[in-house]
Amino acid sequence: SQQGEEDPQALSIQEGENATMNCSYKTSINNLQWYRQNSGRGLVHLILIRSNEREKHSGRLRVTLDTSKKSSSLLITASRAADTASYFCATDDQDTGRRALTFGSGTRLQVQP
Amino acid sequence: DAGVIQSPRHEVTEMGQEVTLRCKPISGHNSLFWYRQTMMRGLELLIYFNNNVPIDDSGMPEDRFSAKMPNASFSTLKIQPSEPRDSAVYFCASSLRAYKGFNYGYTFGSGTRLTVV
Repeated sequence: SQQGEEDPQALSIQEGENATMNCSYKTSINNLQWYRQNSGRGLVHLILIRSNEREKHSGRLRVTLDTSKKSSSLLITASRAADTASYFCATDDQDTGRRALTFGSGTRLQVQP
Repeated sequence: DAGVIQSPRHEVTEMGQEVTLRCKPISGHNSLFWYRQTMMRGLELLIYFNNNVPIDDSGMPEDRFSAKMPNASFSTLKIQPSEPRDSAVYFCASSLRAYKGFNYGYTFGSGTRLTVV
């Protein structure tokens, strides 16, 4: 079953614009991670945020986490055509103690040059 | 490091045949995961190992699926007999072992695209 659900399912923007993707999850977590997947490739780890953190930055990426709402957002600033990919959030499950990540359904981002 | 290596990249097989997918994790990583990705169901965890020991195989669809990790540098996922509904991309991933509620990021292989006809 899907632990995380990303919103929107698809997003199309112009190069230079910011892209925001949201993720909602269902259980208590220890941490949340974001991954990128280019077409036909494996997933690439982008950033990890712990449950006691509210915001984290990495280059052009900004992730927020609201554990009270069980939601997270990924912001990509000044997007580039190379950012075109699918983006997934993933969480562990503190309630069951399951350490392996469960992935959401993903947001397909298209950045138009 | 060459990353997580999966083979083959593509596999086309006939229904009823045995299929074996292979994975070499990153050296030093002690957790290994097998995921399956389809359009309908997204990414599903099939099984994962810590220090070569299977920890959770509740995602393995049925008895036709089996996975082994005979040593720290090799794992296999076997489907016998294969069925058309097994068609998917199968990913292997590895990471350092999670501890005290802290996970590490996963490194994924490029996947094996399996088509069962």
